[in-house]
Amino acid sequence: GAVVSQHPSRVICKSGTSVKIECRSLDFQATTMFWYRQFPKQSLMLMATSNEGSKATYEQGVEKDKFLINHASLTLSTLTVTSAHPEDSSFYICSASGGASGEQFFGPGTRLTVL
Amino acid sequence: AQSVSQHNHHVILSEAASLELGCNYSYGGTVNLFWYVQYPGQHLQLLLKYFSGDPLVKGIKGFEAEFIKSKFSFNLRKPSVQWSDTAEYFCAVGGGGYNKLIFGAGTRLAVHP
Repeated sequence: GAVVSQHPSRVICKSGTSVKIECRSLDFQATTMFWYRQFPKQSLMLMATSNEGSKATYEQGVEKDKFLINHASLTLSTLTVTSAHPEDSSFYICSASGGASGEQFFGPGTRLTVL
Repeated sequence: AQSVSQHNHHVILSEAASLELGCNYSYGGTVNLFWYVQYPGQHLQLLLKYFSGDPLVKGIKGFEAEFIKSKFSFNLRKPSVQWSDTAEYFCAVGGGGYNKLIFGAGTRLAVHP
């Protein structure tokens, strides 16, 4: 099956710093990548959809200047949390889709803790 | 507003028991429905999906789900669970294939041998 990786798996940072999370499709070309956020005991919330080579489409309520998404190639998308604050602490999950079916394949997630 | 509701947050069963996990949705227009599973320490994986046609959908590992349009439901079932089915199960709905999925809060299933 298709494999999606995320790096890092866990990150702890100080308030005010920026953190970059990478999402890679390892064995297929992902024309579309999705970024989700998951709070404890809650569902995955879609943050944004990115298509390779174009600007990401953000969901309502998601600050595009705070959560910078870049999808520069068919195998890599990055999410940068700028000027992170403790309320940004969460589990961030990416997924990637490509091919005829458009099925989303999920990464393992990144646990962000902002002190 | 579009939403997905999973009725049970935690379910505990013994092996060989039957399973039914509830999922109700609120969504305007054409709906695509999904069940995903996340085994301990692993990624989310697609269990089954409904796009159109037969409302009774069969997925991997003996799971099935039935789309009942009049009840806005897509409940997941398995006649006899195994210890290896211990996982978290997420129902999701989308309006255009796999795009813009809305997830339920998840149901954590524990199966005791």
